[in-house]
Amino acid sequence: GAGVSQSPRYKVTKRGQDVALRCDPISGHVSLYWYRQALGQGPEFLTYFNYEAQQDKSGLPNDRFSAERPEGSISTLTIQRTEQRDSAMYRCASSLSRGSYEQYFGPGTRLTVT
Amino acid sequence: RKEVEQDPGPFNVPEGATVAFNCTYSNSASQSFFWYRQDCRKEPKLLMSVYSSGNEDGRFTAQLNRASQYISLLIRDSKLSDSATYLCVVGSDSSYKLIFGSGTRLLVRP
Repeated sequence: GAGVSQSPRYKVTKRGQDVALRCDPISGHVSLYWYRQALGQGPEFLTYFNYEAQQDKSGLPNDRFSAERPEGSISTLTIQRTEQRDSAMYRCASSLSRGSYEQYFGPGTRLTVT
Repeated sequence: RKEVEQDPGPFNVPEGATVAFNCTYSNSASQSFFWYRQDCRKEPKLLMSVYSSGNEDGRFTAQLNRASQYISLLIRDSKLSDSATYLCVVGSDSSYKLIFGSGTRLLVRP
């Protein structure tokens, strides 16, 4: 069956531009998580949703980062006024039930800010 | 101090060898523990959960020592296909976020 999909897979942007990263979770999965992974590191939590409700955004680095999941399915992570330090792999994961550690990760979006 | 710490390796072992990875976690209240596997340029995938009594899945054995806040993964009879990065993960009970270590890289040679 179809797994988690993310688009674009690669994004190169100039410093100061806004970017929107999309995540399409596994069909029927209730919870959706965003992580960021730097090279040589494990993923780091950013935020998560149950259905359309954002449950925890404690991992968002600053107010340039925001996320939404308006219809409880597809989610968008937006980074405004990008900076070079935002360059990383952004990964989305979903889980079938609320509050589950059994999370399925997508292939990620590699963001490069020049 | 990082919440989850692992030796980055790499561990370079011959096929058939037994290899063990360890990690430590800082939050003594943590209740949920996992090992994830990540192949080069791929997404992390759940390998196994770690239970207090220890658990086994084929060639893989995971153990938890709560007193020492220490988690281990043992791989017996290593295969070439076991070459990957192994991520030690602690679950945050307040929000179901996963807290990852930096990973331990394993290379299995013929």
